[in-house]
Amino acid sequence: DVKVTQSSRYLVKRTGEKVFLECVQDMDHENMFWYRQDPGLGLRLIYFSYDVKMKEKGDIPEGYSVSREKKERFSLILESASTNQTSMYLCASSPAGFYGYTFGSGTRLTVV
Amino acid sequence: GENVEQHPSTLSVQEGDSAVIKCTYSDSASNYFPWYKQELGKGPQLIIDIRSNVGEKKDQRIAVTLNKTAKHFSLHITETQPEDSAVYFCAASQGEKLTFGTGTRLTIIP
Repeated sequence: DVKVTQSSRYLVKRTGEKVFLECVQDMDHENMFWYRQDPGLGLRLIYFSYDVKMKEKGDIPEGYSVSREKKERFSLILESASTNQTSMYLCASSPAGFYGYTFGSGTRLTVV
Repeated sequence: GENVEQHPSTLSVQEGDSAVIKCTYSDSASNYFPWYKQELGKGPQLIIDIRSNVGEKKDQRIAVTLNKTAKHFSLHITETQPEDSAVYFCAASQGEKLTFGTGTRLTIIP
């Protein structure tokens, strides 16, 4: 069964902390994505990557960075966590071309 | 950039009845339109998709229709069952990046 695995289901962090969210896929997909999900706002794209060491800004990149050193792993970094970054974070991957995504189960991050 | 609007935000239907969720998109260059179902505590899962060269696609009890001229597409679920209760998202893409609607919470009333 193909999978996108997010390292944590729940995280609680303090304001100002540096936070790492990890995502690993086992499908040899070229593309990987980070979205955040908030009630009433749907899924908003933070960053995406088409290949190793490549990254592109999405619609809401402010306050975030990413790293993709290996094809299967895509990390989201909150440089200095703030309370407005409390959200559900979803990682997804897809093969090259116009295909649907496979999502992970999400990480619910609370910043206090 | 692309903008996707989705309606209604909540929908309750009697078990056995049909449910329809509608989406509109803004960019006429968009050419791929998937639908996702998200159950409680899980990530969204692709349930059906349609490409711009097709007007309708069906998979058992679910179907999607696309009207490129009007720039809208719809999800139809027939003979609804309790396990259809979930949040549904539409999306549109003109490349490898998807723009999502805001979601519809569908509740099936037994």
